[in-house]
Amino acid sequence: EIVLTQSPGTLSLSPGERATLSCRASQSVSSNYLAWYQQKPGQAPRLLIYGASSRAIGIPDRFSGSGSGTDFTLTISRLEPEDFAVYYCQQYGRSPRAFGPGTKVDIK
Amino acid sequence: EVQLVESGGGLVQPGRSLRLSCTASGFTFGDYAMSWVRQAPGKGLEWVGFVVTKPYGGTTEYAASVRGRFTISRDDYKSIAYLQMDSLKIEDTAVYFCTRDRGRGYYGSSGYWGQGTLVTVSS
Repeated sequence: EIVLTQSPGTLSLSPGERATLSCRASQSVSSNYLAWYQQKPGQAPRLLIYGASSRAIGIPDRFSGSGSGTDFTLTISRLEPEDFAVYYCQQYGRSPRAFGPGTKVDIK
Repeated sequence: EVQLVESGGGLVQPGRSLRLSCTASGFTFGDYAMSWVRQAPGKGLEWVGFVVTKPYGGTTEYAASVRGRFTISRDDYKSIAYLQMDSLKIEDTAVYFCTRDRGRGYYGSSGYWGQGTLVTVSS
C-alpha cells in the first residue's frame, strides 16, 4: 500500500505570493498517476492536476504540477483570493487509491 | 454537462445497513469507472473504493477499512452507481462523494464529483 505524506500541514501566505506544496509517496507512483485536488469549505473537491503535471479542464495556468517517482509538487505561481483552500494529492496507479492528509493554504 | 447526484444518506444505527445511489447524467455512463470517496466531519478525504467498466471486467476494489462490509456496483442501463454499506460502524460517519474518472480506462483520477450525501451512524 502506498502512503502519501503532504507538507507543510498549513501554509500561510498573502495574495500574490507563490505557494509550493509537497507530496511524498512511500513507494514509487506507477506511471506518475498522481493527482491534486482543491477543496473549499462546504464544497466537493475539484481536480486540478492529473498525471503529475497535466492541468484539468478549466484550471488556470497559475497552477502547475511537477515531479516523478516518489516526490511531487503543486505550485501556485501567484495566489488569488479564491485559491485559499485545502489541497490533497492522490495516487491512482495502484489500489488503494490513497489520498494524502492535505495542506491548508490560508491567508497570512 | 456531467452531473452526479448522490442520494440515500441519513441517520442509521450501528450494525445496520444503508445503500447510497449515484445518479449520473451528461455522459455515457458505461464508459467510465466510478468511485466513492468519503470525508468524516472535519477530516481529510478517504478513498472508499471503485468499480471499473464492463470491458475491464467490472472489477471492484476497496479500502481495507470497508472491505467485506461495503459493496460497490453499477447499473449501466440506469446510469447509477451504488454503495451498499453493511455492518455500519460509528466511524463510518462521513459525507460520501461519488466520483467519475476523468478519462476512460482502468486507472483514473476523479475528474467529476457529486455534491455528497451525509451518512451518520449513531444509536
